[in-house]
Amino acid sequence: LAKTTQPISMDSYEGQEVNITCSHNNIATNDYITWYQQFPSQGPRFIIQGYKTKVTNEVASLFIPADRKSSTLSLPRVSLSDTAVYYCLVGDTMYSGGGADGLTFGKGTHLIIQP
Amino acid sequence: DTAVSQTPKYLVTQMGNDKSIKCEQNLGHDTMYWYKQDSKKFLKIMFSYNNKELIINETVPNRFSPKSPDKAHLNLHINSLELGDSAVYFCASSQDLGFSDTQYFGPGTRLTVL
Repeated sequence: LAKTTQPISMDSYEGQEVNITCSHNNIATNDYITWYQQFPSQGPRFIIQGYKTKVTNEVASLFIPADRKSSTLSLPRVSLSDTAVYYCLVGDTMYSGGGADGLTFGKGTHLIIQP
Repeated sequence: DTAVSQTPKYLVTQMGNDKSIKCEQNLGHDTMYWYKQDSKKFLKIMFSYNNKELIINETVPNRFSPKSPDKAHLNLHINSLELGDSAVYFCASSQDLGFSDTQYFGPGTRLTVL
């Protein structure tokens, strides 16, 4: 299962667009890319998921280049309440045995938004 | 109306004790999980059940024993608690067992072993 690499932390300011990139060089053909958000003292919450090109919802956009070896979560016009840890996960649609690396969230990216 | 709930929210206990954490989901999902988040915020899966059957059992000491009485419940029992067991434990559920299936997490149980 593909492992992911993200920056440990990022800083930005209210009203800015924030882009967090995740590297997954050995992503498999059947793997999807999923992003979660975690606030202090809460469980992670699903943000967005994609397979290729671009996906957009009311919260964020996800950009995936043609080779799918990386992905970028884009948060438009962030506010203080977007301060959280963001996790990138890569895994297949169905568990088929073996390890559960695709369900390991790692340390994520700690995004800090300042006024 | 809480989708995934856990009890208790906080648990403080002495080394060597046995304790349980309960989890319930009202989403009608077939799959439930237990995760451990340590002091360094590394969030790692421990167990997964699909239709009450144990599917994923990562390298967790056998002092940890999950039990799923039905699809809506997944409890975690821990024997002979150790200092290193101190962490936040999250329960989660998803419709199916797939790495890409959206997971819904509970609020977490903060376990402190003294």
